[in-house]
Amino acid sequence: KNQVEQSPQSLIILEGKNCTLQCNYTVSPFSNLRWYKQDTGRGPVSLTIMTFSENTKSNGRYTATLDADTKQSSLHITASQLSDSASYICVVKGAGSYQLTFGKGTKLSVIP
Amino acid sequence: GAGVSQSPSNKVTEKGKDVELRCDPISGHTALYWYRQSLGQGLEFLIYFQGNSAPDKSGLPSDRFSAERTGGSVSTLTIQRTQQEDSAVYLCASSLGAGRTDTQYFGPGTRLTVL
Repeated sequence: KNQVEQSPQSLIILEGKNCTLQCNYTVSPFSNLRWYKQDTGRGPVSLTIMTFSENTKSNGRYTATLDADTKQSSLHITASQLSDSASYICVVKGAGSYQLTFGKGTKLSVIP
Repeated sequence: GAGVSQSPSNKVTEKGKDVELRCDPISGHTALYWYRQSLGQGLEFLIYFQGNSAPDKSGLPSDRFSAERTGGSVSTLTIQRTQQEDSAVYLCASSLGAGRTDTQYFGPGTRLTVL
C-alpha cells in the first residue's frame, strides 16, 4: 500500500531558528514529491515539486531534498518567521497516476 | 486571477440530512479534484474530473457520496443522509491538466459538521 510518513508530528521552534522536517514514502513507481504548506483554515499551497532526478530544490527560505533511492525527503526551513507556523504536508505522486498520496503533515509552531 | 473558491466555508447539519458543497475551479483548469481531510489525518482522495472524460469515483467512501461537474467548470459534491463520521473539511483542487508535475491549487475548504 502506498504510504507517506512524516516526522515529527509537531514541532515548536524559536523565531529565527532553522528546522528540518522529514518524509519517508513507499509509493512505487515514483513520479514526483511535493511539499505543501497549509495555514490553519486554509487549503494547502505548493512549495516545491521534485522529480526523480532532482536532489534539492529551493523556494526562498525553504529547501527540499530528495533521495529517491532511500525514498526519503526533507524540508529545511532557514531563519524561521512567525508566518512559517503552519502544517507542512509531504505529497507523493506515483508514475502513471494522477492520484496523490498525502502524509498527515508536521505541525510547525514558530514562537517569538 | 482568482483562485479556487468553495462554498459554504462552514456547514453544520443534522444527521440524516443531505448537503451540497460547491467548488469553483480556476478558469481554464481542466482537472478538478475533491479531497476529504479528517482531523489528524492526511488528505483522502474522493473523486477526479478531467475535461469531458468520465470521472474517477474510486475514492468515494460510499454510495451516499456523489459529485458532478457542469460544463467543465463548477463542481458540486453531494452527501446524502449525512452521518457523524462525514464530519471533516472537504477540499477542492484544480490543475491546468493532469500532467506529471501539474500543480494542484486548493480552495480554502468547506468544514462540514454533522450533529
